[in-house]
Amino acid sequence: GAVVSQHPSRVICKSGTSVKIECRSLDFQATTMFWYRQFPKQSLMLMATSNEGSKATYEQGVEKDKFLINHASLTLSTLTVTSAHPEDSSFYICSAANGYTFGSGTRLTVV
Amino acid sequence: EDQVTQSPEALRLQEGESSSLNCSYTVSGLRGLFWYRQDPGKGPEFLFTLYSAGEEKEKERLKATLTKKESFLHITAPKPEDSATYLCAVLNYGGSQGNLIFGKGTKLSVKP
Repeated sequence: GAVVSQHPSRVICKSGTSVKIECRSLDFQATTMFWYRQFPKQSLMLMATSNEGSKATYEQGVEKDKFLINHASLTLSTLTVTSAHPEDSSFYICSAANGYTFGSGTRLTVV
Repeated sequence: EDQVTQSPEALRLQEGESSSLNCSYTVSGLRGLFWYRQDPGKGPEFLFTLYSAGEEKEKERLKATLTKKESFLHITAPKPEDSATYLCAVLNYGGSQGNLIFGKGTKLSVKP
């Protein structure tokens, strides 16, 4: 079946620095990748939809200049959290194949 | 506004004690209803998709059913390895491929 590989699984960074999260589709081409954020005991919330070769579409309330998404190839999408702050600490998850395949998630802690 | 509500928030069962998890939803247009299993610190693992009222799907000890307002995930004779958080999501007709709206999940603990 379709597999999405997400890295890193955990990252701790200092406030003000940037962090990049990668998602790769291993055995299929993902023209669209979805990025979610999950706070403890809360629902997964869609942040943005990335499309290969075009600009990402951001959900209302998500700062596009803070959460930079790049989908430069059919197998790789990246999310960069810029100038991270403690309130950005969360679990970030990518998804492809529209609901059928999720990455393993990235636990971001900003100190 | 599309919304998904899961109950109970947490459920403790003894091994072998069957039960059901509920997912109530309101959606402007239902493209599909998804069930997932999520282990701590991991992404959701796809279990089932249901598309229309009356549909049922089974996988090992799990059976999912769908009505026009809710879905149930029935767990028959659960084992400790079934312990996880179970997520429900509805796919609507928003955007080009629809938007997944998730519930908060039911945390299931099965004691031996």
